[in-house]
Amino acid sequence: QVQLQESGPGLVKPSETLSLTCTVSGGSISSYYWNWIRQAPGKGLEWIGQVYYSGSTIYNPSLRSRVIMSVDMFKIQLSLEMSSVTAADTAVYYCAARPAFDSSGHYSPAEYFQHWGLGTLVTVSS
Amino acid sequence: QSALTQPRSVSGSPGQSVTISCTGTSSDVDYNYVSWYQQHPGKAPKLMIYDVNERPSGVPDRFSGSKSGNTASLTISGLQAEDEADYYCCSYAGSYTRVFGGGTKLTVL
Repeated sequence: QVQLQESGPGLVKPSETLSLTCTVSGGSISSYYWNWIRQAPGKGLEWIGQVYYSGSTIYNPSLRSRVIMSVDMFKIQLSLEMSSVTAADTAVYYCAARPAFDSSGHYSPAEYFQHWGLGTLVTVSS
Repeated sequence: QSALTQPRSVSGSPGQSVTISCTGTSSDVDYNYVSWYQQHPGKAPKLMIYDVNERPSGVPDRFSGSKSGNTASLTISGLQAEDEADYYCCSYAGSYTRVFGGGTKLTVL
């Protein structure tokens, strides 16, 4: 069973860069598209973007200019960097896995988030 | 890319059925890649429905999904106390992006 664990600083100053990692266990990093999703306090979910093990990325257009995602195959970790943060970026950040292959092993990306981490709260404040 | 529209809250008594709607546009819900997630307070979301009406193994068949036009729906029949949670819809939105709904709080009376 795939397990995801987010980690990173819980407090970031305004205008600085937020950096988070997500450690993957119990599954192949090449078998999923890795997504970052956030949830501001008392608010709904917001898709930030995704990264594949090949390094290809797709970002939410509203955040594209501030976000970089990457995969470290050796550490089996995903990374999220978000620059120029403001209080509006205060949220619980989740990593989530979207299957890239079907049950027969054929490349057939699914359109749902099958596995989620527990999330990590990031507060932007001076 | 605008968030999908969900009612802020719905409620029902144990044993009853409730339906949560999720309204989008031809740029998202039309793709038939709508999924639904259940989130209990302080917990990570859990996949309940995918591809509009498919149910992952382990999810009770009390949960079902459907779609009509640009509105997807999640129906929970035989409501139970543990169903009380927030529910979010999500859709593929073209150009490899995804969009969530604003979420619906389900209260079991």
